[in-house]
Amino acid sequence: DAGITQSPRYKITETGRQVTLMCHQTWSHSYMFWYRQDLGHGLRLIYYSAAADITDKGEVPDGYVVSRSKTENFPLTLESATRSQTSVYFCASLITGTGDYGYTFGSGTRLTVV
Amino acid sequence: KQEVTQIPAALSVPEGENLVLNCSFTDSAIYNLQWFRQDPGKGLTSLLLIQSSQREQTSGRLNASLDKSSGRSTLYIAASQPGDSATYLCAVIHYGQNFVFGPGTRLSVLP
Repeated sequence: DAGITQSPRYKITETGRQVTLMCHQTWSHSYMFWYRQDLGHGLRLIYYSAAADITDKGEVPDGYVVSRSKTENFPLTLESATRSQTSVYFCASLITGTGDYGYTFGSGTRLTVV
Repeated sequence: KQEVTQIPAALSVPEGENLVLNCSFTDSAIYNLQWFRQDPGKGLTSLLLIQSSQREQTSGRLNASLDKSSGRSTLYIAASQPGDSATYLCAVIHYGQNFVFGPGTRLSVLP
């Protein structure tokens, strides 16, 4: 199916563990993003990527690492998970055609750090 | 720094009512504005995208307007249905930059 696929949908991990959230798009959108959504904070940008091998920090990057070796994949890694990283994580890509400059979101990954 | 607010934070209406959701932004030099719907436990679904050169966009029972000079957008939902119950978010973007999201309006349409 075309679109953005995130995996896993749900993940429980222990404090201190490394965990990687996957994001795959079937288009060739240049821009991809990782957001986290928390009650009281709304959607906050973690990292984004303008193209393969180009990434940049967003509003809340600490504790996260991203890579973009291929245009279609944009994994997010929590190097040493903490309870404060319990959240719902959304991956998105940006359509950048003339005028149609808008987001498409994945279904999200609900991460619980215990 | 762009700030986006949405009023009301929550809204509960009986089925069949027409309703308006409001989105305000502080920096009017936006490129586009996008309205999303989010169902509980789900991702964001794009509803309408308004380019900065446009005044409004329509899709079915939804109509979104944009007034850049006053920093406002409204989402009008006609003849509301229980299936419209969700959280509605607006987001603004400046060209070459990221979206800034509002906190959302939680809508409940009662049968």
